[in-house]
Amino acid sequence: GQSLEQPSEVTAVEGAIVQINCTYQTSGFYGLSWYQQHDGGAPTFLSYNGLDGLEETGRFSSFLSRSDSYGYLLLQELQMKDSASYFCAVQESGGYQKVTFGTGTKLQVIP
Amino acid sequence: KAGVTQTPRYLIKTRGQQVTLSCSPISGHRSVSWYQQTPGQGLQFLFEYFSETQRNKGNFPGRFSGRQFSNSRSEMNVSTLELGDSALYLCASSPEPGANVLTFGAGSRLTVL
Repeated sequence: GQSLEQPSEVTAVEGAIVQINCTYQTSGFYGLSWYQQHDGGAPTFLSYNGLDGLEETGRFSSFLSRSDSYGYLLLQELQMKDSASYFCAVQESGGYQKVTFGTGTKLQVIP
Repeated sequence: KAGVTQTPRYLIKTRGQQVTLSCSPISGHRSVSWYQQTPGQGLQFLFEYFSETQRNKGNFPGRFSGRQFSNSRSEMNVSTLELGDSALYLCASSPEPGANVLTFGAGSRLTVL
């Protein structure tokens, strides 16, 4: 089966940069995604890496290295509204829509 | 374009009862998947439906079931509720299976007393 590990909590200062890591053990997958979830809200899609390397979307960047079974989400110019939980997720290969989510990282941005 | 709609948003049941949750995907989305979210276990995959067929199922007991209708709307049912079933149940839709973006609904928060 799939398993994805993330740090449970991260605290960072407003305006700074934070990196949230995701290490995984999986037998095969299409790509690594990242979702953001505010307290009481629904997870929302942030980024997807189908290939190794860096994907940049505004203040957010995501990286994947299949050889290292590792990915990360980089948040720049942190804002208070970035305080939320962040989940990495892998979509299993085979044409299915089964997505396995990581344990989630709760990011707290402090002034 | 309306998002993913889940009803009811909140509900309270007692042990032994059963519950049915509904999910209307984004118009045009034909793939629907369900997830259970609890503080201790995170987001756990329940099932995936496409073209009214369950294509995949997570590691949940048979008390958890679901179905999808011809209009792509989906329902999930939990019978003989247990305290441990208290959770946020999230539905996600995508245009087709294998799409790399899931759009989630706001969820149905179930409390079992």
